[in-house]
Amino acid sequence: EVQLLESGGGLEQPGGSLRLSCAASGFTFSNYAMSWVRQDPGKGLEWVSVISSISGHIYYADSVKGRFTISRDNSKNTLYLQMSGLRAEDTAVYYCARHKEIGKWYFVNWGQGTLVTVSS
Amino acid sequence: AIQLTQSPSSLSASVGDRVTITCRASQDISSALAWYQQKPGEAPKFLIYDASTLESGVPSTFSGSGSGTDFTLTISSLQPEDFATYYCQHFNNYHQVTFGQGTRLEI
Repeated sequence: EVQLLESGGGLEQPGGSLRLSCAASGFTFSNYAMSWVRQDPGKGLEWVSVISSISGHIYYADSVKGRFTISRDNSKNTLYLQMSGLRAEDTAVYYCARHKEIGKWYFVNWGQGTLVTVSS
Repeated sequence: AIQLTQSPSSLSASVGDRVTITCRASQDISSALAWYQQKPGEAPKFLIYDASTLESGVPSTFSGSGSGTDFTLTISSLQPEDFATYYCQHFNNYHQVTFGQGTRLEI
């Protein structure tokens, strides 16, 4: 069974930093691209960033470019999101998601999410 | 960037009803569209991809159709567990991902 378990969320002040982690199990992690998707509480979904299976390709949404860094450690089956320069509008539940297949950015499996709150 | 507009934003229906949710793209996206279901307090669940292909394990009461700019998600006979919020999603070759704003399906 595919499992994705996010951690690292919490309350941070504007301008601060947080690192999210997503521990994967139940599939060959190194074979799949992974994304972070966030959801403002009570609102819609926003894609944040993607990393290819061997980290060769990385892309970001314009809203986080230059502030967030996605990475992965295939030896640890773990995905990361380093967030810096946090803003109030970054407040959201952050989900990690596994892509369905190469070249198709559909999110077939999701974690339970970790809440990031940016507030003074 | 491509925008996805879902309609209606909310919908009231009853168990056994047939319902249709629409997702309109701001430009031609061929069939690069997926649908997700999200229940309160849960992560989204992947239902349909490539506009009309049902993901394994998803009940056959769900179906998707469309191409180009107009897409639909149909639930042929609503079950109690189907009351949720539904999102469409698109990706493109410019490394952009877009979600619709969601359609809340209520009893």
